[in-house]
Amino acid sequence: QSVLTQPPSASGTPGQRVTISCSGTSSNIGSNPVNWYYHLPGTAPKLLIHSNSQRPSGVPDRFSASKSGTSASLAISGLQSQDEGDYYCAAWDDSLSGYVFGPGTKVSV
Amino acid sequence: EEQLLESGGDFVQPGGSLTLSCAASGFTFSRFPMSWVRQAPGKGLEWVSLISTNTVSTYFADSVKGRFSMSRDNARNTLYLQMNGLRVDDTAVYFCAKRGAGPYGMDVWGQGTTVTVSS
Repeated sequence: QSVLTQPPSASGTPGQRVTISCSGTSSNIGSNPVNWYYHLPGTAPKLLIHSNSQRPSGVPDRFSASKSGTSASLAISGLQSQDEGDYYCAAWDDSLSGYVFGPGTKVSV
Repeated sequence: EEQLLESGGDFVQPGGSLTLSCAASGFTFSRFPMSWVRQAPGKGLEWVSLISTNTVSTYFADSVKGRFSMSRDNARNTLYLQMNGLRVDDTAVYFCAKRGAGPYGMDVWGQGTTVTVSS
């Protein structure tokens, strides 16, 4: 059971906008930056967003994220078929002294 | 190009031990904290451990605390995960990752190595 909460699935048609929520507590999201990862099983995970809303170089600006209090969200605009996969939020948890991932959200296009 | 390459995954019986390695290239390995993350079959990503640049500090998930240890050889650009007392639920693909984006973002990942624990 993860300390971060995400919806198990999200879907949209090509070109649509999809939003994924991530809920935590004061010991993780409430006090540390949130990161978002994309993962297709069988491949290496990929960092999409770090420090709540910063995109690493090479990540399209179709991906955006924000954080407010103990919640965060990732938005994918202009949805494309290659966006299908699993999306995870993650943050350091001060109470656990460890990094925690959300359970993941499977995006279907 | 920054790269990580894991090795050492194997089939092992419950209670056994295994050491995973992660070879880094394309970046100054000694400057970055490093982590191990795993994915069990049909499950999501699970953070396993973190080591500081100078090896002074290590952190572990509760699920592996007391059984796993982590080390690094900055001269050889290599990260290690020593796993003892392996259990069936340790079966997973193990990824190493560089913590190089912001305070906690893992921006470079290996392709993973598979550990199977079964009798």
